[in-house]
Amino acid sequence: KNEVEQSPQNLTAQEGEFITINCSYSVGISALHWLQQHPGGGIVSLFMLSSGKKKHGRLIATINIQEKHSSLHITASHPRDSAVYICAVSSGSRLTFGEGTQLTVNP
Amino acid sequence: KAGVTQTPRYLIKTRGQQVTLSCSPISGHRSVSWYQQTPGQGLQFLFEYFSETQRNKGNFPGRFSGRQFSNSRSEMNVSTLELGDSALYLCASSFTSRAGQTNSPLHFGNGTRLTVT
Repeated sequence: KNEVEQSPQNLTAQEGEFITINCSYSVGISALHWLQQHPGGGIVSLFMLSSGKKKHGRLIATINIQEKHSSLHITASHPRDSAVYICAVSSGSRLTFGEGTQLTVNP
Repeated sequence: KAGVTQTPRYLIKTRGQQVTLSCSPISGHRSVSWYQQTPGQGLQFLFEYFSETQRNKGNFPGRFSGRQFSNSRSEMNVSTLELGDSALYLCASSFTSRAGQTNSPLHFGNGTRLTVT
């Protein structure tokens, strides 16, 4: 079993829909990161959180430390949100990554 | 502020050769970490440097090595290249105020795509 599990692996949505991507982990962590990767390889850090909830524009990330679970929500999805979303957990300075969720938002 | 710069962007090498990749972090960032991304294994942690010291290392053979200079720039080296080393190599920098913790957001470079033939 992987230390970081993401679901779903693939997600197709219509523009405007509310999207949720889930991440579960089985190890102790110092922080959890949500990353976005567009075709071509560039990775952008969306959130880093160790407790509670963070919001940035249409993106919301939550984490439940007791349940070892985090969710990334996208409200009013747009085709430009199409990308791979990756959950990663840090333990000290070491990162462990989930397999990623390929999101496609159709107009 | 300039972002994280990785050079070169693309590289083609032959099996058995060695390769050196470079990463210049954002000014003021003292932590630099390296990652390998392949279609089969996804993203994997290679190693992390803070103030010229390797603090953590992933599960890669000794052919993979790195170093960090006093200006925080980092290099990674892969010796005796194998076909399976073909991958996108990414580095990231962060402003880590406390030694031993990655408690600041990561800033990634655009990566070096290495092809081994």
